Order: sequence, then C-alpha cells, then structure tokens
Amino acid sequence: DGGITQSPKYLFRKEGQNVTLSCEQNLNHDAMYWYRQDPGQGLRLIYYSQIVNDFQKGDIAEGYSVSREKKESFPLTVTSAQKNPTAFYLCASSGTSGGSSYNEQFFGPGTRLTVL
Amino acid sequence: AQTVTQSQPEMSVQEAETVTLSCTYDTSENNYYLFWYKQPPSRQMILVIRQEAYKQQNATENRFSVNFQKAAKSFSLKISDSQLGDTAMYFCAFMKDVGGYSTLTFGKGTMLLVSP
Repeated sequence: DGGITQSPKYLFRKEGQNVTLSCEQNLNHDAMYWYRQDPGQGLRLIYYSQIVNDFQKGDIAEGYSVSREKKESFPLTVTSAQKNPTAFYLCASSGTSGGSSYNEQFFGPGTRLTVL
Repeated sequence: AQTVTQSQPEMSVQEAETVTLSCTYDTSENNYYLFWYKQPPSRQMILVIRQEAYKQQNATENRFSVNFQKAAKSFSLKISDSQLGDTAMYFCAFMKDVGGYSTLTFGKGTMLLVSP
C-alpha cells in the first residue's frame, strides 16, 4: 500500500538533546512538508521541499533543520535551539503521481515528541 | 500573508442532525484553493473537501458540502445527517495557486462532538 510513514509514534528526549523525526513516503511524490501542531494552534509549517536537495523555511523554522537527499525521505531534526519542542509533528507529501493533484497534501500519522 | 479564522472552538450536534462549521480567510490573492481537513481522535489528517476559488459552484462530497462566498471570504462546511464517526477536529485551510506545489495555512480548528 502506498502511503506516508512516520516513526516513532512517541518520542521522549531530554532537554538539550537533538532529535531526528523520520518521514518516508512511497507515493512517488515530489513535494514534502513538515508541520507542527500544538493544542489550540492548528498546524504550522516548519519546512517544505519541492524537489530533492532543495528545501525552504516555513513560518516557524527556527530551531529545526531538514535534509532531502532522497525523494522518498524528508527527516526533521529538532535541535537544542528550539525553545519549546514538545508538540505533535506531522509530515505530508503532494504530487501528481497516481492521479492525485499537486495541491492535495497527504499526511502521515504523526510523531508525538515530549522533551523532559 | 494569508490568515484563516475559525471562530467556533467547539460545537456539538446530535446524530442525524445537520451542523455548519464556519471559516473566514484573508488574502489578496485571486487564485487559490480552500480545504476542510478532519482529524479524528487517531490524529490522522483526512481531506474532507476541496474548493477551487475560480469555481462558482460549491463543492460537495456525499454528506459534506461547502458554502463558498468569495467576495465575503467565507468558506463554511455543512455536515448533513451527522454520524458518530464525524466526531473530530475540523481544520479549514488555504493554499495559494502558484501553478505548482504550494503550502497550506490552517485555522486553529473546530472540535465537533456528535452525540447519540
């Protein structure tokens, strides 16, 4: 089955440690996105990538970094510079393969990060 | 910059009744897309319905329909014959039409509770 996977589902880290969240898709989509969700805040864009080896900052990129070395993978690193990293993180992708439209984003199941 | 406002943090409805969720947005763009996403307790984001701004006809997907008022910048979601499985957080979202991949701007969400 085609889809987006995020691992792990729950992640605990100590304050001051960097942590990397995984996002993989087998939909052959060109574009991938990272969103952060906080209670009462909706989803906010962290980073996005439209093509391999290229990515752009979103609205809340400070304290985060990404890479896009492969089309199917878009890992997000939460660095120690992120002041309040505890949140729910959602990865998404979009593309025109399989009859889908470039304006429709498909979401992964999310990772809940808790920094202790 | 675009903003999306959902003025109803919570709503409740009884099974089989109809409910309308409100959404307003602010943009200077003429070409764009509007979306309603559903996030059930599993936290998986699911696309409910999409509207292209250039289309005057309101989008409909089974029990879900929208009332798109471009001049008023309003995009409400009507759920008919509500079912228990409709209980979820509902997000309104905006996307500029850039002729390719673009990003979503979300509202803060409306929590809908459907009771028996």
